[in-house]
Amino acid sequence: DSGVTQTPKHLITATGQRVTLRCSPRSGDLSVYWYQQSLDQGLQFLIQYYNGEERAKGNILERFSAQQFPDLHSELNLSSLELGDSALYFCASSVGQQLNSPLHFGNGTRLTVT
Amino acid sequence: GENVEQHPSTLSVQEGDSAVIKCTYSDSASNYFPWYKQELGKGPQLIIDIRSNVGEKKDQRIAVTLNKTAKHFSLHITETQPEDSAVYFCAASIIGAQKLVFGQGTRLTINP
Repeated sequence: DSGVTQTPKHLITATGQRVTLRCSPRSGDLSVYWYQQSLDQGLQFLIQYYNGEERAKGNILERFSAQQFPDLHSELNLSSLELGDSALYFCASSVGQQLNSPLHFGNGTRLTVT
Repeated sequence: GENVEQHPSTLSVQEGDSAVIKCTYSDSASNYFPWYKQELGKGPQLIIDIRSNVGEKKDQRIAVTLNKTAKHFSLHITETQPEDSAVYFCAASIIGAQKLVFGQGTRLTINP
């Protein structure tokens, strides 16, 4: 068990809808990262937060947004959903904000857009 | 560049044999290279990592080697066991973009 908790485990919704994915990092970790995993794209970095502030941004669509709250949990909001947004979404956490801080991944949220 | 190329995409070995997975990266400033194992229905789990000031690191049956000049690094698993069957991902730090970039993964199957 990595100590990173993601909810829900599965989410099925329709195109055009909006969903929120939630992540609780490991105790003591200040950084939270979001990754998208699809069959043909591998693990794609979306965004990183450190202690409540956005730290780095990857290939995150404008329809997607995230935030990290004072208690360090994070939420990823996906809106105007399209079929192509169907994927596994992983949250990871680390102690520091440097790139060489080991990442600890949750078990993901599987999003299916129909 | 931000590319991390991983080969092979699938690998099948007999139990007890060794498995080798190779990755190349393009950013010469990369200095952190972790390897993750992902089992079905779970998130990636860190199994070993290496930093650029080290050429080799070993942890029991797992070892990683790094060649900074050639910009490639490899994962070696010896005495493979059925529980080693999983998808393995390499990654490299991309300093300019402040992110970790993952390879496309290798599905390793250990045949009993």
